[in-house]
Amino acid sequence: KAGVTQTPRYLIKTRGQQVTLSCSPISGHRSVSWYQQTPGQGLQFLFEYFSETQRNKGNFPGRFSGRQFSNSRSEMNVSTLELGDSALYLCASRRTGEVYGYTFGSGTRLTVV
Amino acid sequence: KQEVTQIPAALSVPEGENLVLNCSFTDSAIYNLQWFRQDPGKGLTSLLLIQSSQREQTSGRLNASLDKSSGRSTLYIAASQPGDSATYLCAASNDYKLSFGAGTTVTVRA
Repeated sequence: KAGVTQTPRYLIKTRGQQVTLSCSPISGHRSVSWYQQTPGQGLQFLFEYFSETQRNKGNFPGRFSGRQFSNSRSEMNVSTLELGDSALYLCASRRTGEVYGYTFGSGTRLTVV
Repeated sequence: KQEVTQIPAALSVPEGENLVLNCSFTDSAIYNLQWFRQDPGKGLTSLLLIQSSQREQTSGRLNASLDKSSGRSTLYIAASQPGDSATYLCAASNDYKLSFGAGTTVTVRA
């Protein structure tokens, strides 16, 4: 069965621009989460969506936003990009219920220049 | 706030040696604990999931234990191989999110 699909795999953007990343979860998974990974901060939680509702949000500025569609696909948006936003952005999906584990996608590597 | 710590930060062993990776967490109110492997520049591959009611899980050469009361989990990798070289991350699950440790980078020398 298909895994978690993230697009695009790589992105190069200029400071001040905005970017949208996409995540398609495993079929049947309604929970989608986003994480940022940097060498200095490690893996940090951005937000989690379930049935188009944000259930939890990490400690990131309002420039980071997300949404989930009725088919469970999710997008995250970063506006007014800063150099420090350069990171690997990972999406994960999970079956309904907190007892289940997460499956991660391959990530989107964002470079801000 | 959940804090997850992994010790050691890095480990280098000769092929065939057993590996012991440690993970500690501060909030015992977790639903489960998950171990991942990450190769350079790649996403996370799930290795083992231990439910909060379980004490251990096994998959092939991998065994993970969980002691919720003391806030500890240990990942054992038996008879290590060069292909086991990677970063290993533990993550505690609660409040609809994972809290990650910084990882243990393992190098298995042939």
